[in-house]
Amino acid sequence: EIVMTQSPVTLSVSPGERATLSCRASQSVTTNLAWYQQRPGQPPRLLIYDASARATGVPARFSGSGSRTEFTLTISSLQSEDFGVYYCQQYHNWPPLTFGQGTKVDIK
Amino acid sequence: EVQLVESGGGLVQPGRSLRLSCAASGFKFDDYAMHWVRQAPGKGPEWVSGISWNSGKIDYADFVEGRFTISRDNAKNSLSLQMNGLRADDTALYYCTNGYTAWGQGTLVTVSS
Repeated sequence: EIVMTQSPVTLSVSPGERATLSCRASQSVTTNLAWYQQRPGQPPRLLIYDASARATGVPARFSGSGSRTEFTLTISSLQSEDFGVYYCQQYHNWPPLTFGQGTKVDIK
Repeated sequence: EVQLVESGGGLVQPGRSLRLSCAASGFKFDDYAMHWVRQAPGKGPEWVSGISWNSGKIDYADFVEGRFTISRDNAKNSLSLQMNGLRADDTALYYCTNGYTAWGQGTLVTVSS
């Protein structure tokens, strides 16, 4: 099983500041990596797939980078609506699909 | 527009059964493996089961322990999950997904006496 590890666990960022979230895979997933945002009571919202491709309708302030085992999600200028929990997920190999434990982004 | 719509959730007693369904539209369903992912209250997403495009590869999370059966009908663009022997710890929102680009809104399964 590919284990996904996210850091930090919690991130407090002021509006307008940059937020950087990290995700590490226990073995190479090439670029088969997605990032999701989840707000309370909502399903996960796909932000990034294939490590760096923005999903339809996702603002340009969200960007993804990385390959193999190290990945980053950057929010260039945090907006108030960007609060929530962010998950990375690998789809390189199943079973199983695996998710990171999440990074909670708080608006400072 | 890509759309996945789950149905079939509800309140059920421990030991009983439920059948979840997922209707897909807006993408070429038989190009993709499909999966069920669940999320218990306050927890992260957890993979439950997956099925390849032609049903040739099927697998389950260890916690399923032979209780669930996944299936698909490519002619109807549909995915199903038959859940037997439900337990309290199966309580969760169940999502249908192609594994990355398409997710449904989820259907809630509550197992309680």
